[in-house]
Amino acid sequence: QKEVEQNSGPLSVPEGAIASLNCTYSDRGSQSFFWYRQYSGKSPELIMSIYSNGDKEDGRFTAQLNKASQYVSLLIRDSQPSDSATYLCAVIPPGSGYALNFGKGTSLLVTP
Amino acid sequence: ETGVTQTPRHLVMGMTNKKSLKCEQHLGHNAMYWYKQSAKKPLELMFVYNFKEQTENNSVPSRFSPECPNSSHLFLHLHTLQPEDSALYLCASSQDGGEGNTIYFGEGSWLTVV
Repeated sequence: QKEVEQNSGPLSVPEGAIASLNCTYSDRGSQSFFWYRQYSGKSPELIMSIYSNGDKEDGRFTAQLNKASQYVSLLIRDSQPSDSATYLCAVIPPGSGYALNFGKGTSLLVTP
Repeated sequence: ETGVTQTPRHLVMGMTNKKSLKCEQHLGHNAMYWYKQSAKKPLELMFVYNFKEQTENNSVPSRFSPECPNSSHLFLHLHTLQPEDSALYLCASSQDGGEGNTIYFGEGSWLTVV
């Protein structure tokens, strides 16, 4: 079973704080990792992709990957109320071709 | 606007009806997907098409029938559905061969089976 695990939350952080979202995956050979944001009633939109161990930064977002620990995270700096959404972790496991496996998502609430 | 357009956005159908969901991508991608999103469950991959050929059928019941006439269009034909099939159906596309194969989603079709 190729699983992607996320804490469903909700994760509540005050405005301006750092939000930390975590994801673990079961298939050690996975190579490609993605974070999507989904607002209520909307479709997922890509925030970040990461393929190599370490950190990748894009604006207020930083993705962190540790393949040895099978762990990927997303940090959101200076969190804004508009960041309140569900964040989906997705992984392309080996042998799947190119289709993503998604976690259930973590609900983030940024309070003013 | 992601370049992936789905119609209809909302659909209510009876269990004996036959309907179709349509997806069109304007991104020049060669792979298209149907995902199902139900409450409290992860996004579930249903079908994958690459260059119009179905490459994956994720144990989906036969009451869901996909059709991919070309690389830009994808349909999901629905017949004799059950109430538990009510969900958000998401179409997506990607360019196979690119690093990581980033998937872009359409806005989704909300399906209610009564």
